[in-house]
Order: sequence, then C-alpha cells, then structure tokens
Amino acid sequence: QSVLTQPPSVSGAPGQRVTISCIGGSSNIGAGFDVHWYQQLPGTVPKLLIFDNINRPSGVPDRFSGSKSGTLASLAISGLQAEDEADYYCQSADNNLGSRVFGGGTKLTVL
Amino acid sequence: EVRLVESGGGLVQPGGSLRLSCGASGFSFSTYAMSWVRQAPGKGLEWVSAITGSGGTTNHADSVKGRFTISRDNFRNTLFLQMNSLRAEDTAVYYCAKVIDTSRGYRPFDCWGQGTLVTVSS
Repeated sequence: QSVLTQPPSVSGAPGQRVTISCIGGSSNIGAGFDVHWYQQLPGTVPKLLIFDNINRPSGVPDRFSGSKSGTLASLAISGLQAEDEADYYCQSADNNLGSRVFGGGTKLTVL
Repeated sequence: EVRLVESGGGLVQPGGSLRLSCGASGFSFSTYAMSWVRQAPGKGLEWVSAITGSGGTTNHADSVKGRFTISRDNFRNTLFLQMNSLRAEDTAVYYCAKVIDTSRGYRPFDCWGQGTLVTVSS
C-alpha cells in the first residue's frame, strides 16, 4: 500500500483527454516534494515522462502535461493515441519514510 | 549515449545471497547519484536503495534495510546491490537507475537499465 494513491485504471477513446491522479498527504506531496511521472509501455522499462511536477524531458510530446496543487498531482494526456496504452506511475518523496516513493500505478487503456 | 547494464540476477533459495551489478557508460558516473528500483511480477515499481555520487551516503527502503547494501566503484563505473537473507517477496526485476541531474534532493530517474530478474524460491 503506497502513500501515493493512483487509480488502478483509466480509459479513453482515441483523441480524448484523460487525467491520472496521484493523491498524497502532508508528509509527501503536501510537504512540497516534487512529483515525477513515468510511462511503462508493455514489456519495456519505465521512461521519465514529467519531472518536477510540470516539466517534460526532451522528446516527450506536449500532449503530456503535469500539475500539482496541495496534496494532489495529476498527469493529463490529450489527443489520446493507441500507443499511449501503458502503465503510468507517479513518484515523489516522503518525510516519514525518508525516501522516494512510487504510486501504485495506473493502467491506461485506449478504447 | 547513456547506458546501464545490469547483471547478476538468477534463482536463489530463501535465505540465500546474490550480488547485482550495473555497468554504466556514456556519462560521468561518479557525478550522479544512483538507485535500485524493483518490480515484482505483475506489480508496480518499488524504490529499493540509493547512493550518492561519491558513495558516501546510502539509503534503503524499510523492506530491505539490514539485508541489502548498495555500493559503487567509481573507478570501474559500476553500481552494486548486495542482497542477503533473501525472501520470496524479494522476487522481482531489479533495475538500476540514474538521476536526471546533480541537484540535491530526491531527483527523478532519466535513465534505466534493462533490468535483471531475481527469483527467490526453493
């Protein structure tokens, strides 16, 4: 059971916009720790998608965007494409644990 | 090109030991903090251990504290994870990962190895 809570699954049709939430608490996201997002396509290694809440590494399409407010972080994917079907993980840090933490992951299905 | 290549995984009995290695190339290895992250079959990501660039400071998840030890050899550009007293729940693919920059704090991982599978079973 992670201290960062993500919905187990989300879905959307091609072209639609979906959001994935990452709910934390006062010891992690609410304490000011940055949130990062990773995409793991089936059978591949995780790939950094968003870092420091809102920033995209070079090569990541601007269809992907991140936000953070209070104890909640969100990943938005607009113009959904079939190749976006993957598992998505948020990551932050926690004062109580004294370490990095990952959310439980969200499986995105493109209908 | 930044490259991380893990090795050392395999089948080990409960209570046994294993030492994972991660060879790094394409960047100034000693400058960057590194971590091990694992993923149990069909499960999510779990951060395991971290070490600073100099190797002077390490940190481990509570689930492995006292059993696993992270270390590095900056002359050989290699990261290690010594795993002792292994349990069935340690079964996972173990990834080594490089942080994105040299800033302080819990920086994200911009490069991951392909992973090495550790199976703990009798």
